[in-house]
Amino acid sequence: DSGVTQTPKHLITATGQRVTLRCSPRSGDLSVYWYQQSLDQGLQFLIQYYNGEERAKGNILERFSAQQFPDLHSELNLSSLELGDSALYFCASSVGTTLPIYNEQFFGPGTRLTVL
Amino acid sequence: AQKVTQAQTEISVVEKEDVTLDCVYETRDTTYYLFWYKQPPSGELVFLIRRNSFDEQNEISGRYSWNFQKSTSSFNFTITASQVVDSAVYFCALSEADTGANSKLTFGKGITLSVRP
Repeated sequence: DSGVTQTPKHLITATGQRVTLRCSPRSGDLSVYWYQQSLDQGLQFLIQYYNGEERAKGNILERFSAQQFPDLHSELNLSSLELGDSALYFCASSVGTTLPIYNEQFFGPGTRLTVL
Repeated sequence: AQKVTQAQTEISVVEKEDVTLDCVYETRDTTYYLFWYKQPPSGELVFLIRRNSFDEQNEISGRYSWNFQKSTSSFNFTITASQVVDSAVYFCALSEADTGANSKLTFGKGITLSVRP
């Protein structure tokens, strides 16, 4: 158990709908990362938040957005869903110091989204 | 821009065979980190190893070993005497972290390893 929790584990919805995925980082971790694993694109970085602020952006669609709340949990919002958005969405967290050292990322179990 | 290439997509071996999973990376940074993750059929990502760019020593952990060669920008992973439980998708990843607050990972496409009894 990495200490990172993601809810829900599975989500089935229809095209055009909007969903929210939730991530609770490990206690004390300031950074949250979102990754998408799809058959087409593989495993790719979407977005990162650090202590409530957006830190880095990857290949995230405009229909997707995220935020990190004061209690450091994060939500990924996916709207106007398309069939191609079906994927496994991972959240990861790290301590996120500003020192020039690597901070281990701990991955949650993922949320499997199916768009029908 | 950083890039990770795993040219092998699927590998099938018979139990007890040795197998090597290849990983080639591209980065402009002198400081970077390389990783291998395992994704079993259950779907979670299991961390296997991290290597920083200044440490080219090969590493062995049980049946697993890693060969890091900066000269060829490769970070290959060998499983010795493979077992059925090794069947999974294996990802190589790269991070160009300038600080601990910016450590996003770039993953390769993954290699599906099937070990037959």
